[in-house]
Amino acid sequence: EIVMTQSPATLSVSPGERATLSCRASQSVSSNLAWYQQKPGQAPRLLIYGASTRATGIPARFSGSGSGTEFTLTISRLQSEDFAVYYCQQYTEWWTFGQGTKVEIK
Amino acid sequence: QITLKESGPTLVKPTQTLTLTCTFSGFSLSTSGVGVAWIRQPPGKALEWLALIYRNDDKLYRPSLKSRLTITTDTSKSQVVLTMTNMDPVDTATYFCARRPTAGSHPDYWGQGTLVTVSS
Repeated sequence: EIVMTQSPATLSVSPGERATLSCRASQSVSSNLAWYQQKPGQAPRLLIYGASTRATGIPARFSGSGSGTEFTLTISRLQSEDFAVYYCQQYTEWWTFGQGTKVEIK
Repeated sequence: QITLKESGPTLVKPTQTLTLTCTFSGFSLSTSGVGVAWIRQPPGKALEWLALIYRNDDKLYRPSLKSRLTITTDTSKSQVVLTMTNMDPVDTATYFCARRPTAGSHPDYWGQGTLVTVSS
């Protein structure tokens, strides 16, 4: 099983600041990496796939980078609606998810 | 418009079998590469993929749960059914179904999820 490890577990950021979230795979997943946003009581929302392609309707302040085993999600200027939990997911070998990073208001 | 919606019991007893139904619209499982998956999330924990069905009858299961899971489809009703046997309190979770749009890809559209509690 490919294990996905996200860091940090919690990120405290002020509105308007940049947030950088990391995701590491236990073995190479090439660019088969997606990022999701999840708010309480809601289903995950697809943000990024192919490591760096924004999904339809996702604002440009969300960007993804990386390949192989190291990936990053950057939110350039946090807005109030961006405070949520973010998950990375690999889809090279079935599907496995990271444990999530909670982005909270500082 | 693509939608998925889960339905099933909210409470099951230990050792019982859980049956969940995902009713979808806006796409067809007959389309090459398209699949429907089940994913669960215990309260306050991370997401865990369980099973995937595609090409109407090809199936993949999470290895650690394979002996307990069965995924089937009723194409006439645009439904995917997941059964999980021998339920345990650790299986308490929100269960989501989601669409895989193409072969080897990620889930894109998700249902709202349904919370299943396992308790006597």
